[in-house]
Amino acid sequence: DVKVTQSSRYLVKRTGEKVFLECVQDMDHENMFWYRQDPGLGLRLIYFSYDVKMKEKGDIPEGYSVSREKKERFSLILESASTNQTSMYLCASSLFTGGMNTEAFFGQGTRLTVV
Amino acid sequence: AQKVTQAQTEISVVEKEDVTLDCVYETRDTTYYLFWYKQPPSGELVFLIRRNSFDEQNEISGRYSWNFQKSTSSFNFTITASQVVDSAVYFCALTPIQNNDMRFGAGTRLTVKP
Repeated sequence: DVKVTQSSRYLVKRTGEKVFLECVQDMDHENMFWYRQDPGLGLRLIYFSYDVKMKEKGDIPEGYSVSREKKERFSLILESASTNQTSMYLCASSLFTGGMNTEAFFGQGTRLTVV
Repeated sequence: AQKVTQAQTEISVVEKEDVTLDCVYETRDTTYYLFWYKQPPSGELVFLIRRNSFDEQNEISGRYSWNFQKSTSSFNFTITASQVVDSAVYFCALTPIQNNDMRFGAGTRLTVKP
């Protein structure tokens, strides 16, 4: 079974703190994604990565950065957390094979509260 | 860029009723995948189905069926004889086949009452 593991299920951080959300997948997937889930807005793509050290902005990259130094790990960084970044964060990975992408597999989510 | 619209925010049915969840999409790509995911109360998204853009054959899996119509850019999901365990948020998603830009709809919260 594909396993996507997010380092924390719940986090509480203070405004202005630098926050790291970590995600690890164990299936050698090329693609990794960070989404943010808010009520009524569904999942919004923050960043994705299709290879080590490669990244692409999604719909809402402002206030976030990412790092992918190893294939299995994709980190989301909130440089200076703000209360409007309180949300559920979901990490996902997918395989790229035969020139095509497969379905994404998701972690359990990290519920971040910024106070 | 792609866009996925799930116009139904919430649906409530009584057990054993049939229910259809709507999904309409926009894309400039000629080849793409469509997906449905289920998010139960536990929170983790569970993959249900993938359909590629050049295969419009409808699919049935047990009580679940999917109707893909390219002419109307729709990919609707029907649950037959719903059960309480079907209560969840359901997401429709779209990605071009040859890049990694997967986009989701806002989700439909389905509540099945006993």
